[in-house]
Amino acid sequence: AQSVTQPDIHITVSEGASLELRCNYSYGATPYLFWYVQSPGQGLQLLLKYFSGDTLVQGIKGFEAEFKRSQSSFNLRKPSVHWSDAAEYFCAVEGVAGGSYIPTFGRGTSLIVHP
Amino acid sequence: DTGVSQNPRHKITKRGQNVTFRCDPISEHNRLYWYRQTLGQGPEFLTYFQNEAQLEKSRLLSDRFSAERPKGSFSTLEIQRTEQGDSAMYLCASSLAPGGNEQFFGPGTRLTVL
Repeated sequence: AQSVTQPDIHITVSEGASLELRCNYSYGATPYLFWYVQSPGQGLQLLLKYFSGDTLVQGIKGFEAEFKRSQSSFNLRKPSVHWSDAAEYFCAVEGVAGGSYIPTFGRGTSLIVHP
Repeated sequence: DTGVSQNPRHKITKRGQNVTFRCDPISEHNRLYWYRQTLGQGPEFLTYFQNEAQLEKSRLLSDRFSAERPKGSFSTLEIQRTEQGDSAMYLCASSLAPGGNEQFFGPGTRLTVL
């Protein structure tokens, strides 16, 4: 069975500082990997995804993520955080189980941005 | 296209009542997912459809829950004999097949069971 761990429930950063949100997954092969963002009162929005190819993936809003097979990780980064980045961030994996693609989300990391 | 819509946005019901939620996906999307999200947790997969066929159901899904997607367009999620533990945000998402594509989420239906 696949699983996702986001070890940090909350992360607090100052505006302009760099950010790294951690995500570890468990799956027998390389799954599809995603990062979604959920702003208050908004639906989840895809930031970026990875399945194969270059292990450094660029996404929207200046985010990037790096896939590390040896560590089963897919950490999200941003070099300079803006106040508008304050939101809930979810890592997700989607692996094939019996021919069906079943998505599993982590519990999320809440990002707090101080001015 | 205005994206994925869900109705109602909020539902308050008494324990034991039945409730039904509706999801209208992006029109060209053939996959439709239902999730449940509780406070401090990520979306928990409930079920998904490809066109009108329900391809997968979570083992955690009680038999009080049923979902349909007639004609492969909108979908409904019904909860019978609601319990207080059913209180949650119910999310709908749609995507293109095959798997691994971006899911587009609706705003959710918040259910409160008194």
